Amino acid sequence: DVKVTQSSRYLVKRTGEKVFLECVQDMDHENMFWYRQDPGLGLRLIYFSYDVKMKEKGDIPEGYSVSREKKERFSLILESASTNQTSMYLCASSLLGQGTDTQYFGPGTRLTVL
Amino acid sequence: AQTVTQSQPEMSVQEAETVTLSCTYDTSESDYYLFWYKQPPSRQMILVIRQEAYKQQNATENRFSVNFQKAAKSFSLKISDSQLGDAAMYFCAYRHKAAGNKLTFGGGTRVLVKP
Repeated sequence: DVKVTQSSRYLVKRTGEKVFLECVQDMDHENMFWYRQDPGLGLRLIYFSYDVKMKEKGDIPEGYSVSREKKERFSLILESASTNQTSMYLCASSLLGQGTDTQYFGPGTRLTVL
Repeated sequence: AQTVTQSQPEMSVQEAETVTLSCTYDTSESDYYLFWYKQPPSRQMILVIRQEAYKQQNATENRFSVNFQKAAKSFSLKISDSQLGDAAMYFCAYRHKAAGNKLTFGGGTRVLVKP
């Protein structure tokens, strides 16, 4: 079974802090994704990566950056956390290529910024 | 840009009965994929069912089936013989075939199952 893990289930940070959210997958997937999930808005794509050191902006990249130094690990960085970044953050991975490739999700990190 | 709309924030169903979740989408493309994902409380999101737009036949996975109406841009999910374990958030998602593996999600529908 594919396993996607995230470093924390719950995280509380202060405004202005630098925040790192880590995601690791164990199935050698090329694609990795970061979403934020908010009530009524569903999941919105922040960034994705299709290879090591490659990244592309999603729909809401402002205030976020990412890092992918190894194929299995994809990090989301909040350079200076703000209260409007309080949300649930979901990581996902999938194989590269066309077709109906399933995305496999991690358990999520619920981030609260005070 | 593509949009996906789920008009029902919450649905309630009696155990063993059937519930249908609605999803509409807006796209100018003809070749795409549609998905329903399930997010149980405090558990990871999983794929329930997928549909390829060029296929006329509606997808079915055990108790889960879809009604895909391409002209109407509608993609509803039917859960038959509902079980307590079906209680979850359900998200409809769209992917254009040439968009890599980027998904656009709807806002979600919470399904409550009454024993």
